[in-house]
Order: sequence, then C-alpha cells, then structure tokens
Amino acid sequence: DQQVKQNSPSLSVQEGRISILNCDYTNSMFDYFLWYKKYPAEGPTFLISISSIKDKNEDGRFTVFLNKSAKHLSLHIVPSQPGDSAVYFCAASASRGAGNMLTFGGGTRLMVKP
Amino acid sequence: DTEVTQTPKHLVMGMTNKKSLKCEQHMGHRAMYWYKQKAKKPPELMFVYSYEKLSINESVPSRFSPECPNSSLLNLHLHALQPEDSALYLCASSRVIKSTVALSGANVLTFGAGSRLTVL
Repeated sequence: DQQVKQNSPSLSVQEGRISILNCDYTNSMFDYFLWYKKYPAEGPTFLISISSIKDKNEDGRFTVFLNKSAKHLSLHIVPSQPGDSAVYFCAASASRGAGNMLTFGGGTRLMVKP
Repeated sequence: DTEVTQTPKHLVMGMTNKKSLKCEQHMGHRAMYWYKQKAKKPPELMFVYSYEKLSINESVPSRFSPECPNSSLLNLHLHALQPEDSALYLCASSRVIKSTVALSGANVLTFGAGSRLTVL
C-alpha cells in the first residue's frame, strides 16, 4: 500500500509558465515533507521541505503548499526553466517514528519545453 | 564538503561473485542510509546506521551485508546476488537519525549519485 502517491507520472510545461506537481499521502503520522529532484545518472537532490506546522514554504522559484486536512501537498515552480526538467520525488517522514526514514512517492517526470 | 561519494559508479557481477559498494561523507553526519531504486520506481529503504550502529534493517536478504567501519564510511557487501537485485543503490546521510526540531534541517538526507549494479 503506497503511503505517498504522485498520481501524475509526467508533466509537460512551456518555459516561463508555472509547473505544479502534486503529491498525496495517507499516513496521518507524517509531519515533515520534502521534495527531491533527480537527474538521470545522479542521486536525488534536496529541493525544499515543509513541516506540518506550516502550510506554505517558499524558496526562490519554488513554493511548497501543504493541505493537511486533504493530506495533499504541491510544489509550484515559477517561472519554469528548461533546466528544471527532471524527475521530482515527494517524500514524507514521521518525527514520532524511528526517525528520518523517508517514504517516497513514485515520482513525476517534468519536461520544460523552450 | 557537502557531498556523499559513492564508488563504483557502475558494477557488473556474476551471481557467484563477492563485491562491495562504498559510500563516504565528510559532513559530520551521524546517520547513513542505503536505498535501492529500480527503474521508474521510488527509492526503497534498505538499512539505516545511527552513530555507526545498525538501527534499521528493512527485511533485506542476507546476501546484502552492510558495514559501517567509522562515522564517514558505509559499505554494502554483496554476495550470491540474483539478477533481480540489479538496480541503482543509493547511499545517503543526515546529521542525525531523528530530530524533534522539524525545521532544523537535521532531517534532510543528502544522497550520493548512486552505484548502478547489474547482476548477470
């Protein structure tokens, strides 16, 4: 049973427009959420995170929104750039659990077209 | 130094071979992890070391044997693997295994580039 789901396997966006990547989770114990970006032949790179005590966190072009009641989070990238083309993984952890064990979603491949 | 370094980048081995994957970090992190990632799938946790002690083993077959010789190094010894074990093996580290301060950044895992393993 997947506790973290990314229902869109791929997303194509025009350069300069907004990219919105979505993530849903089922485990109410999750209280810390992260987005990782992965290029081919590289490991995942941390992008941005959000704690469950917040509903929004912004870092430059990247903003993560958390809707706890809906168990849903989203990553907004604006404006999108061709270099943003990568696979984006949503991940979650529970601070009351054993620790920093991340549960990953299946990933969304973002393609930003020039 | 903010990197996790994994060697080798690629490894091809037969089912009777014994090989090892190596991981190194010099960020002073005291938690280290092995993840396995199959194509088009998310990374799956295998092992977690906290302060050089094995903290979590996610029911991984004994043909995978982790070792943490010191706080900077993490090895994964491989023996009698099966073709279905072919995957990208990712090492990661974090400051600590568990932080009660969610925004401290201690929960963030830094990943290496991975070792791509092919078992023939």
